[in-house]
Amino acid sequence: DAGVIQSPRHEVTEMGQEVTLRCKPISGHDYLFWYRQTMMRGLELLIYFNNNVPIDDSGMPEDRFSAKMPNASFSTLKIQPSEPRDSAVYFCASSFFAGEINEQFFGPGTRLTVL
Amino acid sequence: AQTVTQSQPEMSVQEAETVTLSCTYDTSESNYYLFWYKQPPSRQMILVIRQEAYKQQNATENRFSVNFQKAAKSFSLKISDSQLGDTAMYFCAFSPSWGKLQFGAGTQVVVTP
Repeated sequence: DAGVIQSPRHEVTEMGQEVTLRCKPISGHDYLFWYRQTMMRGLELLIYFNNNVPIDDSGMPEDRFSAKMPNASFSTLKIQPSEPRDSAVYFCASSFFAGEINEQFFGPGTRLTVL
Repeated sequence: AQTVTQSQPEMSVQEAETVTLSCTYDTSESNYYLFWYKQPPSRQMILVIRQEAYKQQNATENRFSVNFQKAAKSFSLKISDSQLGDTAMYFCAFSPSWGKLQFGAGTQVVVTP
């Protein structure tokens, strides 16, 4: 298995531009999570999906952020318009529930820099 | 709301020695899961060890073991026979039964020759 795949690995953009981060979870996993990692705030859960349905988006910082999961093998996190304070590493993780909570497998992350 | 506290920002240990990382958490849940994740300079998040709260026996994975004290809400990680490749940021994480991970601030472990 290829693991969780994220693209791009690095993204540099200018303030005001739209940014789209992509994630392909591990096949068969029914949970998908988006996290953000910054020096100031550490690792924060932004949103998570179960069977492609958003379950909890309370961590999404503001309306500029949106996430979708159109099918079991693809999810996007979009920032529009982007701001310098959005600069962070964004991780996608996937997991499956088999009667109890299982390990979340993380992707390699996308390092976003907003100038 | 749950909180996870790692009080040691950085720990240094020599090769072959043992280091213990502390983690405390606060929750009103009776059933939950605890994890230690490792993040090396490559920034990949790697699961080191997990513990189910309903299990009394402490989890062990090769050189990594935990001391889980449920009443004290403490979950420490012991790394035995430290190796240079253990140099990384270590995160303690808490997950209630519905699957959200709450991370601590992390402890940077530096293994020196």
